[in-house]
Amino acid sequence: DAGVTQSPTHLIKTRGQQVTLRCSPKSGHDTVSWYQQALGQGPQFIFQYYEEEERQRGNFPDRFSGHQFPNYSSELNVNALLLGDSALYLCASSLGDREAEQFFGPGTRLTVL
Amino acid sequence: GNSVTQMEGPVTLSEEAFLTINCTYTATGYPSLFWYVQYPGEGLQLLLKATKADDKGSNKGFEATYRKETTSFHLEKGSVQVSDSAVYFCALSEGGYSSASKIIFGSGTRLSIRP
Repeated sequence: DAGVTQSPTHLIKTRGQQVTLRCSPKSGHDTVSWYQQALGQGPQFIFQYYEEEERQRGNFPDRFSGHQFPNYSSELNVNALLLGDSALYLCASSLGDREAEQFFGPGTRLTVL
Repeated sequence: GNSVTQMEGPVTLSEEAFLTINCTYTATGYPSLFWYVQYPGEGLQLLLKATKADDKGSNKGFEATYRKETTSFHLEKGSVQVSDSAVYFCALSEGGYSSASKIIFGSGTRLSIRP
């Protein structure tokens, strides 16, 4: 049983560019949450998707947007990249509307130059 | 707003030493509390959890007790091993133990164990 997978593993972009990160949830899971983990810090919640809708959002600007597909996979898009967007982006999946553990993927390391 | 404060690292111990990593939280309502571990090159893994006051979470020899009166959730292990070297995150989930909840993490404590 595959766990949460994310692609790509690493990514290098320049300021002002746009980036798309992808996440496939653990089999049977329908809820995907995205987190940003800056170097030496704890992860910070960006937003969560359930039934293809953004269910809740953290304190991130509108440059951060997402999408969930009918197969429950998800994308995180970041526009107009800033140097400060350099971080490890983590995806977590869970089973919606139940007491459930959130399972984390290995992350995508984004470097903005 | 809700927040988690944990002991700053790095923490370096010898094998078989006793471990405590302090964690306190600020939250409204009844959050669930967690310890996550991040081994080098791996994703975050849930180590243990407690969903209500006085609950004790335990796993792999690690323990933590949900203390509402002191708003604390300190991580302890009686005898650490080299394989316990990792970064440990204390966290809380707003609105209880639900997949709909967002998780708020502390800044992490890096633990290194010397053979």
